[in-house]
Amino acid sequence: GESVGLHLPTLSVQEGDNSIINCAYSNSASDYFIWYKQESGKGPQFIIDIRSNMDKRQGQRVTVLLNKTVKHLSLQIAATQPGDSAVYFCAAYRDNYGQNFVFGPGTRLSVLP
Amino acid sequence: DVKVTQSSRYLVKRTGEKVFLECVQDMDHENMFWYRQDPGLGLRLIYFSYDVKMKEKGDIPEGYSVSREKKERFSLILESASTNQTSMYLCASSGIGGEAEQYFGPGTRLTVT
Repeated sequence: GESVGLHLPTLSVQEGDNSIINCAYSNSASDYFIWYKQESGKGPQFIIDIRSNMDKRQGQRVTVLLNKTVKHLSLQIAATQPGDSAVYFCAAYRDNYGQNFVFGPGTRLSVLP
Repeated sequence: DVKVTQSSRYLVKRTGEKVFLECVQDMDHENMFWYRQDPGLGLRLIYFSYDVKMKEKGDIPEGYSVSREKKERFSLILESASTNQTSMYLCASSGIGGEAEQYFGPGTRLTVT
């Protein structure tokens, strides 16, 4: 079946460094993707999205890159801060199953002082 | 701000009990979702609803049922709780349009003993 996966379950970075979190998806027909952030004790929160007609989208300190050829997307966080410590999920829209997404298992980002 | 609330943050139930998890959203969203979240597996869709009294099975509906009698409220029911239903349960809602961002509640951590 359709799946979304992440390359690393955990990632540790020094405060101030850039973070890169990767995600792979299986359905080449997926045309919309979202990155979510989940802090401890909270539900996932929207960070940034990207449609398949784009290769790159930037937000505040975050950038999402989409490579449709290899079905891969990444989330880049610039100048990582302690408040960025969380679990990050990518989600791929599945248009053959109603209005919902398939989620990856998540990468836990730890920011070291 | 969109607010999705869940009736309990923590629940402990015994095997065989009937369990009700309630979710309420205040943004007049058409779509509502129930997920379970387990380590290494990410979010898996149990059921979703795109309108009052409408429901659709997700990826793992076995052992669960849902009810949506009012637009703002979506209930997840475990008819006879089992230990393998110990998990974090997340409710989400989204507006019309298949690619609409989902807003999540804080989650209910259910333990079945």
